[in-house]
Amino acid sequence: NAGVMQNPRHLVRRRGQEARLRCSPMKGHSHVYWYRQLPEEGLKFMVYLQKENIIDESGMPKERFSAEFPKEGPSILRIQQVVRGDSAAYFCASSQTASYNSPLHFGNGTRLTVT
Amino acid sequence: GDSVTQMEGPVTLSEEAFLTINCTYTATGYPSLFWYVQYPGEGLQLLLKATKADDKGSNKGFEATYRKETTSFHLEKGSVQVSDSAVYFCALSDGGDFNKFYFGSGTKLNVKP
Repeated sequence: NAGVMQNPRHLVRRRGQEARLRCSPMKGHSHVYWYRQLPEEGLKFMVYLQKENIIDESGMPKERFSAEFPKEGPSILRIQQVVRGDSAAYFCASSQTASYNSPLHFGNGTRLTVT
Repeated sequence: GDSVTQMEGPVTLSEEAFLTINCTYTATGYPSLFWYVQYPGEGLQLLLKATKADDKGSNKGFEATYRKETTSFHLEKGSVQVSDSAVYFCALSDGGDFNKFYFGSGTKLNVKP
């Protein structure tokens, strides 16, 4: 029973390039969340998606960041024209339901370094 | 808005010492409360949870009680081990429109043999 799978584990991009982060939720989970963790800080909510729908993107920067969760395939977090401030660990989580007492299950994260 | 405040780390203890990591929260509704643990280079793992006032969550010798009157959810363990060294995050889910979690900034625990 595979958990949440994220890839790549580490990603290095030069300023101005694009970064694509992938996340496959746990089997049977249709709710996906992306969080960002800056060094020595907690996790900050970015976006919540269900299959083919963005439900809440209140934590996403207005420019350069986008997310999708297509009918087939993994969820993708896309960062265009990366800048050094985008360097962080990006975690994907999934849950079985959207109920407030349904715990989030996290992947091991993608550590993005922008040089 | 909703938020979680944790005691700052790092916390350094000797093996078999008693652990307390303080966590307080602010929420408009009736949240569920969680503790997650993060080992180096890994994602967060659910440690325990409590969904209503006076509930006690427990797992692997850790426990925390949901105290509505003090808006707290302190994590405790009677005897820590070196393998407990990790970063611990307190979190709440506010029961709003969807399962939105708010995390504290994390408390790093170092346990020395």
